[in-house]
Amino acid sequence: EVQLVQSGAEVKKPGESLKISCKGSGYTFTSYWIGWVRQMPGKGLEWVAIMYPGDSEIRYSPSFQGHVTISADKSISTAYLQWSSLKAPDAAMYYCVRVFGSALMWFDYWGQGTLVTVSS
Amino acid sequence: EIVLRQLPVTLSVSPGERVTLFCRASRSISRNLAWYRQKPGQAPRLLIYGASTRATGVPARFSGSGSGTEFTFTISSLQSDDFAVYYCQQYDNWPLTFGGGTKVEIK
Repeated sequence: EVQLVQSGAEVKKPGESLKISCKGSGYTFTSYWIGWVRQMPGKGLEWVAIMYPGDSEIRYSPSFQGHVTISADKSISTAYLQWSSLKAPDAAMYYCVRVFGSALMWFDYWGQGTLVTVSS
Repeated sequence: EIVLRQLPVTLSVSPGERVTLFCRASRSISRNLAWYRQKPGQAPRLLIYGASTRATGVPARFSGSGSGTEFTFTISSLQSDDFAVYYCQQYDNWPLTFGGGTKVEIK
C-alpha cells in the first residue's frame, strides 16, 4: 500500500527557517516524482514543486521558485520542503503528493498534510 | 500559465441526485485533465485522470468527459460521502495548475 506520511504541524515566527518532511513507502521511491501542494486557509490548491529522487531533477512553480527548496534523501525515502525565511503568507496546509507520469503528471497519492502556522 | 475556471462555485444538491460540474481551460489542454475530491478536513483524492479514466478503486458513479478546453465531471447519484469540494487540474503545460474548485453541499 502506497503511503505518504508527513511531519507534524509547525508554529513558527516570521523570518524563521523551516523544513517539513514526507516519507514514502509501499513503492519504489526513486521511480516516481514526488512533490508539494499548498492550500492556504479556506482556499484552493496550488502546485509548489516536484522532484524526481532517481536523478534529483526538480521543477518549481514560478509562484514559489526562489522562496522554497525541495529536496529528497532517497536512502530514507523522504522528501522535504524548506524555507530559509518564513513569511506570513506561507501559513498554509502543505500536502505531499506522489506524481503519476513522467511527461504528463497528475497526483495519484496524497499525504495527510502538514499545517504550517506563521505568527509573530 | 493555463487558467482553469470551475463552475458553478457552489452547488446545492439532494442525496441521490445527478450532479455535473464544469471545468474550462484558458487554452487547449487536449485530454490532460484530472479531477480530485476533497472532503472536509481531509487531503484531496484522485478520482479521474486523462479526462475520463477512473483512478484505482474509484466507484463507477464518477465519470469525466471532454477535451480541448471544455470538461465535465458527473456523479450519477450523489452519496453522503460526495459532499465535498471538487478540483480539476491540468497537466498539459507547466506550471501545473488547479481550478478554483466547486463545493457540492447538501440542499
